[in-house]
Amino acid sequence: EVQLVESGGDLVQPGGSLRLSCAASGFTFGSYWMSWVRQAPGKGLEWVANIKQDGSEKYYVDSVKGRFTISRDNAKNSLFLQLSNLRADDTAVYFCTKGAPVAGLLDNWGQGTLVAVSS
Amino acid sequence: EIVMTQSPATLSVSPGERATLSCRASQSVNYNLAWYQQKPGQAPRLLIYGASTRATGIPVRFSGGGSGTEFTLTISSLQSEDFAVYYCQQYDNWPPLTFGPGTKVDFK
Repeated sequence: EVQLVESGGDLVQPGGSLRLSCAASGFTFGSYWMSWVRQAPGKGLEWVANIKQDGSEKYYVDSVKGRFTISRDNAKNSLFLQLSNLRADDTAVYFCTKGAPVAGLLDNWGQGTLVAVSS
Repeated sequence: EIVMTQSPATLSVSPGERATLSCRASQSVNYNLAWYQQKPGQAPRLLIYGASTRATGIPVRFSGGGSGTEFTLTISSLQSEDFAVYYCQQYDNWPPLTFGPGTKVDFK
């Protein structure tokens, strides 16, 4: 059974930083694209970033480019998202998602971790 | 960027009735369209991919159709557990991956 468990969410001040982690199990982690998707309170889903199996390709939504960094450690079956220069509109639940064999399709989701940016 | 739109925003349905949700893409996404279901306080779940293929474990009452820019998700006979928000997502041309704003299916 695929399991994705996020951690690291917290209350942080504007301009602050945070590192989110996702522990993956139940599949061959290094064989799949992985993504982060976020959901602001009461709002819809927004894709944030994804990373290729070997980490050689990384893509970001424009609103986080230069502030967020996605990475992975295939030896530890872990996905990360480094968040910097946080803004109030980054407040959201951040979901770790597993890519399907078709790139861009998200076939398994974690339960999410809440990032709240406020002074 | 491909913009996804969904209609209606809210669909009020009685249990046992048929529900049809629509999704439109600002340009062709071929068949690279997925549907997700999200219940309150839960993570989204993949329902349909490739516009019409049910994901593992998804009941046959869920069906998807369409191609190009126009897509539908049909729930043939609504069950109580189907009241949720449904999102479409294109994965044809990215980055960015883009989602529609969602359709909430609630109790009539």
